Amino acid sequence: NAGVTQTPKFQVLKTGQSMTLQCAQDMNHNSMYWYRQDPGMGLRLIYYSASEGTTDKGEVPNGYNVSRLNKREFSLRLESAAPSQTSVYFCASSEGRTGTDTQYFGPGTRLTVL
Amino acid sequence: AQSVAQPEDQVNVAEGNPLTVKCTYSVSGNPYLFWYVQYPNRGLQFLLKYITGDNLVKGSYGFEAEFNKSQTSFHLKKPSALVSDSALYFCAVRDIRSFGNEKLTFGTGTRLTIIP
Repeated sequence: NAGVTQTPKFQVLKTGQSMTLQCAQDMNHNSMYWYRQDPGMGLRLIYYSASEGTTDKGEVPNGYNVSRLNKREFSLRLESAAPSQTSVYFCASSEGRTGTDTQYFGPGTRLTVL
Repeated sequence: AQSVAQPEDQVNVAEGNPLTVKCTYSVSGNPYLFWYVQYPNRGLQFLLKYITGDNLVKGSYGFEAEFNKSQTSFHLKKPSALVSDSALYFCAVRDIRSFGNEKLTFGTGTRLTIIP
């Protein structure tokens, strides 16, 4: 089991460029999440998907879009990158069957927007 | 609304001494509480969680946490610190009444440094 995988590991963009961060899990989990981590601010939820075919906004969704491609994959898209989106992005997944499920995290994508 | 506070940005402990990383929470109903650890350039790893029952929860790597409802706290503890425990620790909370919506709220993190 690879768990939660993310690509790419690092990315540098110029302001206005677009990109998609990919996430996949092999644990047959129903729920998937995208977070961003900034110094002194902890993790903040961008979007989540409770199950295949559904997505909902989290705490900081502006400037992002998501796609739950299938049960395994959940992608995050930046349509027009801004320096404020420089951050480390984490994908996570959980079983989504009870309210007590543990979230499992990927290794992260470090994004710099110049 | 749910929130969690980690009042200390940095905690330094000598190797072999007991360690405590503090966490307090706020929820409307009853909480589900989690601790995660992040090593440099890695994702978060699950340590332990409190759902219900015994207030003392044991987790990975010898860590434990005590749920205190009256003080709305969930402090992480270890009896004897190891240098390898040095990492960034996150507390997280979810309101039990938000069933079907599994959003966790994370604290800002506490950097734990174990001094040899």
